[in-house]
Amino acid sequence: AQTVTQSQPEMSVQEAETVTLSCTYDTSESDYYLFWYKQPPSRQMILVIRQEAYKQQNATENRFSVNFQKAAKSFSLKISDSQLGDAAMYFCAYRSGNYGGSQGNLIFGKGTKLSVKP
Amino acid sequence: EAGVTQFPSHSVIEKGQTVTLRCDPISGHDNLYWYRRVMGKEIKFLLHFVKESKQDESGMPNNRFLAERTGGTYSTLKVQPAELEDSGVYFCASSQGNQREQFFGPGTRLTVL
Repeated sequence: AQTVTQSQPEMSVQEAETVTLSCTYDTSESDYYLFWYKQPPSRQMILVIRQEAYKQQNATENRFSVNFQKAAKSFSLKISDSQLGDAAMYFCAYRSGNYGGSQGNLIFGKGTKLSVKP
Repeated sequence: EAGVTQFPSHSVIEKGQTVTLRCDPISGHDNLYWYRRVMGKEIKFLLHFVKESKQDESGMPNNRFLAERTGGTYSTLKVQPAELEDSGVYFCASSQGNQREQFFGPGTRLTVL
């Protein structure tokens, strides 16, 4: 069974600086997707960034980028030029590439609570 | 476009009572998922609907949980009778076809006393 591990329950970053959130996963599949979701306080979860396992290039979305190390099964999120609005719970998630049946669901880590200091 | 909505946002009930949670997916999304996060733990998958059919209910904890999606639109998740360990935040998500992204609702926080 696939598992996702986020080893940092809480992180803190100074505004305008860079922070990296860690995520490791375990799977025997070769085709899968990895996601970072953000849940601000009292708001709904939104997708931050997505990575297809078959792509070697790391995904980037504005100030958010990932370091995807497939062999090491590592998928860290880097937030550059941190802003106060980045404060949230961040969840790393895995989804099988074999869509359909039981593979459509997401498998989540426990989350990392990010605080941004002004 | 309206996002995924869930009702109620909070529910506090006594052990042994019944509670029904509702999820309205994004219009046109065939896939609807229920997840649950118990305090301090991972968000766990409960079940997956494709239209009105249960595609996968392997994450349902026990037979006290009943999910329905009549007509393939909104879904309800009933807990009967509720137990203390059912407390947590219940999330609903929807996606269209084979779309990789799931769109989440704000969640329902359930507290069983």
